[in-house]
Amino acid sequence: KNQVEQSPQSLIILEGKNCTLQCNYTVSPFSNLRWYKQDTGRGPVSLTIMTFSENTKSNGRYTATLDADTKQSSLHITASQLSDSASYICVVSARGNNRLAFGKGNQVVVIP
Amino acid sequence: DGGITQSPKYLFRKEGQNVTLSCEQNLNHDAMYWYRQDPGQGLRLIYYSQIVNDFQKGDIAEGYSVSREKKESFPLTVTSAQKNPTAFYLCASTPDFLHREQFFGPGTRLTVL
Repeated sequence: KNQVEQSPQSLIILEGKNCTLQCNYTVSPFSNLRWYKQDTGRGPVSLTIMTFSENTKSNGRYTATLDADTKQSSLHITASQLSDSASYICVVSARGNNRLAFGKGNQVVVIP
Repeated sequence: DGGITQSPKYLFRKEGQNVTLSCEQNLNHDAMYWYRQDPGQGLRLIYYSQIVNDFQKGDIAEGYSVSREKKESFPLTVTSAQKNPTAFYLCASTPDFLHREQFFGPGTRLTVL
């Protein structure tokens, strides 16, 4: 069973609208959680990193939240732009172990 | 211009042939990684190297081989023993093995004909 589950698998949103992506994980003991953006045919690029003590972190129009008690994270995209069309990957690492657990990604398509 | 480069971007191979994917970094990172990405699946670790002249198998190493003779280079060979090699291959690096933000290259798409 995958240790990181993302939902929805894919979504289509109108330009200018907001959307929220979900990431649930079972990795333990938890160290940190990253959201990556991957454009089609390119390598992933880090957007945010969340550690155990952090509840929210922003990077421009991207805002990540973390609830370490329920093992859930979300990525909120505000005022979406066409360039936001990409796959957003949730990656969780365990304390004392450099192995990373990757989600399958949320595929976002922004249409004009 | 610092970063990770992978070449070629697209690669075609006939069944039964070995092929080598290049990965070079000028970030002075000690650790390097190879991942495979298939549609609808998360990244899967093939091999990793913590330091020069050392490498370890990841979760799906069968049918692949690597070398780490230089700090900046970590080539991946896809051998004929890999039963389903068509995929998108990503190379990544980190300053050291315990550093968890991975810096990814642009990827190589391998297609077996």
